[in-house]
Amino acid sequence: SQKIEQNSEALNIQEGKTATLTCNYTNYSPAYLQWYRQDPGRGPVFLLLIRENEKEKRKERLKVTFDTTLKQSLFHITASQPADSATYLCAPIMDSSYKLIFGSGTRLLVRP
Amino acid sequence: DGGITQSPKYLFRKEGQNVTLSCEQNLNHDAMYWYRQDPGQGLRLIYYSQIVNDFQKGDIAEGYSVSREKKESFPLTVTSAQKNPTAFYLCATRGGDWDGYTFGSGTRLTVV
Repeated sequence: SQKIEQNSEALNIQEGKTATLTCNYTNYSPAYLQWYRQDPGRGPVFLLLIRENEKEKRKERLKVTFDTTLKQSLFHITASQPADSATYLCAPIMDSSYKLIFGSGTRLLVRP
Repeated sequence: DGGITQSPKYLFRKEGQNVTLSCEQNLNHDAMYWYRQDPGQGLRLIYYSQIVNDFQKGDIAEGYSVSREKKESFPLTVTSAQKNPTAFYLCATRGGDWDGYTFGSGTRLTVV
């Protein structure tokens, strides 16, 4: 069955540094992959979508890469700020029904 | 929350009771989804609907039921057959095939 793996340990970084989060998937090849931000007690918020034929996607301080050979996506936040502290979820599309499979997320803590 | 209203925000259920969680949207989106989130875990798909009067089971549909009589509404009933219903429930919609999901603010259900 499809499996999504995100680092369960929190990532703790200093303000101004670049945060890099990893998402690995196995047993299938998604046509695209999405990243979401979730704050405690709130619903996830959509950030970026990257397609299988795209190597990289950028949006302001965010950058996502998608390596279909390694079956991996990397999510970068440059010039991180304490307000970026949240849990970030990786969500590859499951199949042609456009259902998403969500990873358990990685918590990011940005220290002032 | 982006045009999706989930109610109530908190819900307490006694053993053996059925409860219904409301999800209403004004985004004119065809596709709607129900997810369950447990602490430290990713979102798991309960049911989804891609069009009015049609819905499909997700990965953990047992003990749950839904209806989709109107485009705007996709209520979820947690039945007494669901043995471990305490969780955070999230409703989401999707516009186009390549769009991100829009999530509601969630309902936290607790069995007392």
